[in-house]
Formats: sequence, C-alpha cells, structure tokens
Amino acid sequence: DVKVTQSSRYLVKRTGEKVFLECVQDMDHENMFWYRQDPGLGLRLIYFSYDVKMKEKGDIPEGYSVSREKKERFSLILESASTNQTSMYLCASSFPGGSGEGANTEAFFGQGTRLTVV
Amino acid sequence: ELKVEQNPLFLSMQEGKNYTIYCNYSTTSDRLYWYRQDPGKSLESLFVLLSNGAVKQEGRLMASLDTKARLSTLHITAAVHDLSATYFCAVDTSGTYKYIFGTGTRLKVLA
Repeated sequence: DVKVTQSSRYLVKRTGEKVFLECVQDMDHENMFWYRQDPGLGLRLIYFSYDVKMKEKGDIPEGYSVSREKKERFSLILESASTNQTSMYLCASSFPGGSGEGANTEAFFGQGTRLTVV
Repeated sequence: ELKVEQNPLFLSMQEGKNYTIYCNYSTTSDRLYWYRQDPGKSLESLFVLLSNGAVKQEGRLMASLDTKARLSTLHITAAVHDLSATYFCAVDTSGTYKYIFGTGTRLKVLA
C-alpha cells in the first residue's frame, strides 16, 4: 500500500513562529503536494513539486515556502505563522499523469496535520 | 480558470434510498477522481475514471464520467449509515501536475 506520512497530527504554534510540516512518501512518486483544507472552502493547493528541488506555486502560496531535497520528502514551511494559517494541512503524492486505463494517476494523501496558531 | 463544482453541497438521506452527486468541471480533462473523507480524517481514494464513458462500481457506489459534458456522477444505491462522509471529486488538468478539487458533498445517511 502507498503510504504518505505527515510528521504531526496536531500542532499548536504561536504567532510569528517558524513552522515546519514534514511529509514522507514511500512509493517513489515524482509529484508531491501541499493542500490546506478549511470549512466551506474545500482543498486549496499551496505548492506542488514534480521533481527533487523543483517546486511550483499553487493557488495560495503567500506566507508559505517548501523544500524538496529528496524525492520522498516534501516540507512545508510557514515563515512567520499567523492566526489565519490555522487550518488542516494535507500532503499528497502521485505519479505523473498518464493516459488510458490502468494508469495509476490518483493522489494519495497523508493523515493530515491540524495546525492551530495562537 | 479551472473550476470544479459539486452539487449538492449537503445531502441528508434515509437509509435504503438512492441518490446521485454531481461533479461538473470547466475545462478539458480525461481524468477524474472521487475521494471519501470521514470527519477528522484524510482523503481516501474511491474511484479513478480515466476516459469518456468510464464506469466504476464498488459496493453501493457507482461513478461515471462523461468528458463531452464535463460531468461525473457518483450514484448511491440503497444508502446505509456507513456511507456518511464527505465526498470530493477532483480533476487532473491535462498537461499540468495539479489536481483541482470540488468543494465536497457532505452526506449524512439517517438510520
């Protein structure tokens, strides 16, 4: 089974702190993603990476940065945490898109990190 | 801008009834995904639909894809309480690496 593991289930941080959220996958996936999930807003893409050291901004990158030094690990960094970053953070990984039946293209998600910034 | 819209957003139904959740998307894509999320948990992959006319079934859930209409449906047959969850559809945009998710349909099956 694909396993995507996030380092923490729950985190409480203070405003202004630098926060690291870690994600590790064991399926040799090229693509990795960070989403945040808020009530009524669904999942919003923060950043994604399609290769080691490669990253692309998603829809809401402000206040975040990412690091991908190894293929299996994708880190989300909150440079200076603010209360409006209180949210559920979800990491995911996948193979690159293919076509035709049998192509294994779905994203697999970690268990989520519920971050509270006080 | 690619948009993925689900309806309804909330669905409360009696056990034993049938219902359909709809997922419309606004751009060309041949790949659509359905996920389930239980409260406080992460997303679990249900179905992967990779071509026009694709139909997948698992237990009381059946998903289909019409790429010409840019529409996918998730049909629930004879609902049971254990199906209570939030269901998301997502589209994999051709030529990019991104998945765009709908806002989710919160399903509550009443005993």
